[in-house]
Amino acid sequence: AQSVTQLDSHVSVSEGTPVLLRCNYSSSYSPSLFWYVQHPNKGLQLLLKYTSAATLVKGINGFEAEFKKSETSFHLTKPSAHMSDAAEYFCVVSPKTSYDKVIFGPGTSLSVIP
Amino acid sequence: SAVISQKPSRDICQRGTSLTIQCQVDSQVTMMFWYRQQPGQSLTLIATANQGSEATYESGFVIDKFPISRPNLTFSTLTVSNMSPEDSSIYLCSGSAANTGELFFGEGSRLTVL
Repeated sequence: AQSVTQLDSHVSVSEGTPVLLRCNYSSSYSPSLFWYVQHPNKGLQLLLKYTSAATLVKGINGFEAEFKKSETSFHLTKPSAHMSDAAEYFCVVSPKTSYDKVIFGPGTSLSVIP
Repeated sequence: SAVISQKPSRDICQRGTSLTIQCQVDSQVTMMFWYRQQPGQSLTLIATANQGSEATYESGFVIDKFPISRPNLTFSTLTVSNMSPEDSSIYLCSGSAANTGELFFGEGSRLTVL
C-alpha cells in the first residue's frame, strides 16, 4: 500500500527567504516520487521527479528535493522564494511499474509575502 | 513532454443534464487517466481510460455516472451524467510517460452545476 503525507497544509514565507515543503511517503515498492505545482485556475505542472538515480533532484524554477529512504521523505526546497511561487504543491508517489496506482498528497498551499 | 488539451475549459450546467469533456494528447502515452479535484482538495482518480475497452473505475465511481471512452491512443472523453451540484469540480485528464510514470495534465475542465 502507498500513502503520502504533506505535513503542512499551508506555508507562508517572505519573498527572498527559503522555502521548505515537507513530504513523507509510505510504499511497499521502490517508488518514483514527484512534485507538481498548480497555479490558480491552471492544470498541474511537473516540478521535479525522482525515479532511481541521484537522490538530490533539481527541478524547474530553482526547486530541488532530496530523496531520503531512511526517513521516507522527499522534501521540496528553494533557496529564495519569488512571488510567482505562490501556488498549490502536490507530492506524488508512484510504483515504477503500476502507473495507475499514483497517489497524490493532500497538497500544500504556499503564500509568498512581499 | 506530452501536451494535453482539454475542452471545455469551464462550463456552467443545470442539474440533471450531462456534459462530455474531451481530452487530446499530442503524442502516444502509455496510459490515460481522469481525475476529479473538488474545491480546495487534492486529486482523486476516477478511472483509467483503456483503449478500445471499458475503463477501470476506482472505488466510489461507476460507469453509469462517469462513462469514459478511449477510441484510440491519443483521445478520450469523460461524461458526467445526470449532474447535481455535488459534481461541481475540476475534472483533469492526464497521460503517463512510458518509462518514468510521469503524469502530464491538461488544464482541467471547471464544472459548476446549478
